[in-house]
Amino acid sequence: DQQVKQNSPSLSVQEGRISILNCDYTNSMFDYFLWYKKYPAEGPTFLISISSIKDKNEDGRFTVFLNKSAKHLSLHIVPSQPGDSAVYFCAASKEAGGATNKLIFGTGTLLAVQP
Amino acid sequence: DVKVTQSSRYLVKRTGEKVFLECVQDMDHENMFWYRQDPGLGLRLIYFSYDVKMKEKGDIPEGYSVSREKKERFSLILESASTNQTSMYLCASSSGQFKPLHFGNGTRLTVT
Repeated sequence: DQQVKQNSPSLSVQEGRISILNCDYTNSMFDYFLWYKKYPAEGPTFLISISSIKDKNEDGRFTVFLNKSAKHLSLHIVPSQPGDSAVYFCAASKEAGGATNKLIFGTGTLLAVQP
Repeated sequence: DVKVTQSSRYLVKRTGEKVFLECVQDMDHENMFWYRQDPGLGLRLIYFSYDVKMKEKGDIPEGYSVSREKKERFSLILESASTNQTSMYLCASSSGQFKPLHFGNGTRLTVT
């Protein structure tokens, strides 16, 4: 049962244009969401996060939007650069009531930014 | 900068062998995690630990165990390796709840 879904396995965008990566989740208890970027032969690196009390969070070229009613989040990259080419994972967490957070990851979207 | 180091980048083991994957972090993080990454399945949590000698099962713990004797080190153990455990294994650490995970570069394990 995939609680976090990224329905687009791949996305191709021209350099300078906007990249929009989408993610859907099924568990309404999730209250913290993150995006990670992964290059080949490297571990994922944290990109940006958003808590459920917000609907938007921005960090430079990266903006994450959260639509709780639709259980949907998206990552916008503007402008896209060739160095952004990577696999992007969204992840979600719910307050565990304990000392740690357990992240549930999506299946990933491969972004290719064409020069 | 946080560094999470996995001892091997590539491992090839035979079916039935006992396999140890080692992970060390240098930022005094309380929480450590083991994930596996498979095509089309994303990252799936195997085990995690929020303190020394403490461990909890993730979503796919079957066939695995873990050890955390020191805060900086978290080991994943495959008691009897099987071919369906061929995968990319990723270790991560974090400083607390709702803090981002910092990942190592992964260990590509092939079981033949």
